[in-house]
Amino acid sequence: EPEVTQTPSHQVTQMGQEVILRCVPISNHLYFYWYRQILGQKVEFLVSFYNNEISEKSEIFDDQFSVERPDGSNFTLKIRSTKLEDSAMYFCASSYLGLAGVETQYFGPGTRLLVL
Amino acid sequence: GNSVTQMEGPVTLSEEAFLTINCTYTATGYPSLFWYVQYPGEGLQLLLKATKADDKGSNKGFEATYRKETTSFHLEKGSVQVSDSAVYFCAQTPGNNQGGKLIFGQGTELSVKP
Repeated sequence: EPEVTQTPSHQVTQMGQEVILRCVPISNHLYFYWYRQILGQKVEFLVSFYNNEISEKSEIFDDQFSVERPDGSNFTLKIRSTKLEDSAMYFCASSYLGLAGVETQYFGPGTRLLVL
Repeated sequence: GNSVTQMEGPVTLSEEAFLTINCTYTATGYPSLFWYVQYPGEGLQLLLKATKADDKGSNKGFEATYRKETTSFHLEKGSVQVSDSAVYFCAQTPGNNQGGKLIFGQGTELSVKP
C-alpha cells in the first residue's frame, strides 16, 4: 500500500541553524500539507501546497518557514533560523484532492525536531 | 473560530471493555469530522469520518455519530482489544470554503490491558 515517508525520523540542531525536513508524498497525490505537534499539545496545521504554490498557511507559518517541491517526488519544509520553540514533531500529509472533508489525508510517521 | 476538544487521557481499560472517547467541536459553517489513530512509531491514520449531521462513521468496530445539536462526535467501541492501544485524535475540516486543513483535538491516549 502506498505511504507517505519522511526523513529524517529525528533531528537535533542548534538554535539559529537551518533545517530541512523532507517528505515523499504518495505519488499520484496533488495536495500536500505540513502539521506540527509540540510535545503535549495539539497537532497544528502549518501549510498546504498545491500546483507548486502555497494554498493556505496558518499564522504559525511565518517568514522563517518555507516549503518547496524541488522535483516530482519530494516535498520539503525549511526552517531558516530555528528557535527553541520550533522543537516539535512535524508531520507531512498528502491527499489526491484538497476539497474539504472529501479526501482523506495520508500522514507520514513524522520527524521529531529538537532545537538546543 | 473552529476548534476541537477531546477528553483528557490517558484512558486505561481492560480487554473487552466498552470505550467512549468524547469529542466536541466549535465551527462556523458545516465541518466534516474525523477520527485519526496513531499507533506507536507510526503516522496518523484515518479511522473514520462523517461529512454531515447524523452521519455515522464506522471502521474496525469503532463508530462515531455526527451530532449537530450537541456539536459532538464521540468515538465508541463495544469491546476493545490490546491492539487498540494507541493515541486517538478527533479532527474537523472547516466548511465554508476554508480549505482542506485539519483542525485537531489534543489526542487521547488509550491503553488496553490484557
